Amino acid sequence: ETGVTQTPRHLVMGMTNKKSLKCEQHLGHNAMYWYKQSAKKPLELMFVYNFKEQTENNSVPSRFSPECPNSSHLFLHLHTLQPEDSALYLCASSLIWLASTDTQYFGPGTRLTVL
Amino acid sequence: AQTVTQSQPEMSVQEAETVTLSCTYDTSESDYYLFWYKQPPSRQMILVIRQEAYKQQNATENRFSVNFQKAAKSFSLKISDSQLGDAAMYFCAYRTFGNEKLTFGTGTRLTIIP
Repeated sequence: ETGVTQTPRHLVMGMTNKKSLKCEQHLGHNAMYWYKQSAKKPLELMFVYNFKEQTENNSVPSRFSPECPNSSHLFLHLHTLQPEDSALYLCASSLIWLASTDTQYFGPGTRLTVL
Repeated sequence: AQTVTQSQPEMSVQEAETVTLSCTYDTSESDYYLFWYKQPPSRQMILVIRQEAYKQQNATENRFSVNFQKAAKSFSLKISDSQLGDAAMYFCAYRTFGNEKLTFGTGTRLTIIP
């Protein structure tokens, strides 16, 4: 499989549930990202990982917990979410070299619905 | 802070015609990159075209080309010979050189009329 993959593609969960989103990139990249896409709003960057280290947390509530065990895998652990957290969650990856960063490539997203 | 503005929430074009999507941005940086991404109804965000700010020549990719006006901070996307498969949300995005953070606009929904 090539590119950036995400599982599951759809997820419905209650506010008390705990679930995880998974992202995997097959591009040899060393940076990975989580974005939240809500209707009629720009994509919101949530987290950035460079070489497995978190370099950006864009004031994301603690009910979202990222994990990056290696440069190819990225998880987003979810617990006690709110209905307003319902959105499309996109994963992306890119190659960081020297002081610059290459183009970001996106996965298909997970459509999350919180009941 | 950098901002990206797409003033056209929706656009439509007749199949085989040409359409231009507008994008403006605000930055005080001199080195940066601009991107157009396409998100079809299947949701996978795909890179359409990329422009480095230091390059004066406008980027082109087959039927897609940009009009990059650095002084005006404008970055429009022209789609020639529109095809049904071009129907999608189009997002303009900005990134400063050396910074991995992408700033997106709110998108333009493009409809192709057969």
